[in-house]
Formats: sequence, C-alpha cells, structure tokens
Amino acid sequence: DTAVSQTPKYLVTQMGNDKSIKCEQNLGHDTMYWYKQDSKKFLKIMFSYNNKELIINETVPNRFSPKSPDKAHLNLHINSLELGDSAVYFCASSQEWGRTTKTGELFFGEGSRLTVL
Amino acid sequence: ILNVEQSPQSLHVQEGDSTNFTCSFPSSNFYALHWYRWETAKSPEALFVMTLNGDEKKKGRISATLNTKEGYSYLYIKGSQPEDSATYLCALSYNQGGKLIFGQGTELSVKP
Repeated sequence: DTAVSQTPKYLVTQMGNDKSIKCEQNLGHDTMYWYKQDSKKFLKIMFSYNNKELIINETVPNRFSPKSPDKAHLNLHINSLELGDSAVYFCASSQEWGRTTKTGELFFGEGSRLTVL
Repeated sequence: ILNVEQSPQSLHVQEGDSTNFTCSFPSSNFYALHWYRWETAKSPEALFVMTLNGDEKKKGRISATLNTKEGYSYLYIKGSQPEDSATYLCALSYNQGGKLIFGQGTELSVKP
C-alpha cells in the first residue's frame, strides 16, 4: 500500500502541450504539497494545500495550476509546456503544522519525471 | 533569501567507518530542522524532525544534533553499511506554515 502515489512516473511530451500529474495520499493527512527538483537537484516548494485550501503558492508561472478535489488528492496541471519545465516533480503530504505536537514530517511520492521535447 | 547548505556534497567511505556531515542554516526565525534519507529510485523518507536547541535524536546507528543559536545540525552514522548509501537531505522550516527549504544533500556511498 503506497502512502503517497503519483501518476504518471514518467511523462514525455512536446513543447506547447498541456499535461497533468496526479497525486493521492492514503495517510489521512490534511496538507499536501508539490515540490520541483531543479537542475541543481534542490527540492523547491511550488504549492501547498491544507484541507483543499491553497496555503502556499511560490513564484511559479501561472501555467502551473494545482487542483485539490478533496484533501486526499492534489493534482498538478501544466499548460503550454516549455523546455524549462523538464524536471522531476514530487508530491508530498503531512499532518497539519503547528497545531499540536505533531512533527510535520513530509511523506513523499516517488516523483514524476517530466521531459519536454 | 534563506539558504540551507550541506557539506560535503558527496562522501565515499568504507563499510564500518563512522561518518558525519553538516547542515548549515540561518539561525534567525528558526522553527524546525528536518533530516531525510533519499535512496536512488525511491522517495525521500524522514529521519528526524528537530525543534529545540541542543536536541539530539537517534535512530539505530544514525543520530543527529541541533544548534539553533549558531545555525547548524550534524548527522552521524556509526559503523556505515552499504545499505546506508543514499542522499541525506536537511530542510529548514522557519515558520508554522509548513514550507521547507531544502539543502542540496550529501550523497553518501559506502563500499563493502
């Protein structure tokens, strides 16, 4: 039973296309995230949702649109793909921060490697 | 811009060696420091979350310390084994919002 699962794991597409990456977590967590692993291998946060509400929105082109139909799912839709969008995208979840003694550690999916040609 | 730095970037040790690496971060506005272990072709897994100055945490042969006043954390591995080979990431949270700033990682290779 995968706790945080992303699909697809690999995605190869042409410039200008629109694509989506789906993420689901079965941990009962309130908060979900999208991280991008950049060319220098840093993990950088893109978005965070808490109970379907957007709480973190970093400086990301508006071609990227997250959608959270319920708190177990956070999908990432990318319009008009560009070469520079090629990267590995990681979904993660955590119990809600700050309210209790919960640690807030992140549980990651295995990543989705997007290649734009 | 907050920056989290890890050193060294890579490390090669022999089985049985003990090793350690460093995570440096700005000490102002500190909230929590995370350590993750990331094996190739898998997802990062949390090792420790540390919040208090002087915290020491241990999991098996792996332990970590935290100094929030000077802005660093050490991760120690005692008696390294080949299965310890992975990239070790540290990440800083500076508020309650759940945003983590990751370092680039230390890639550890343990040779039998």
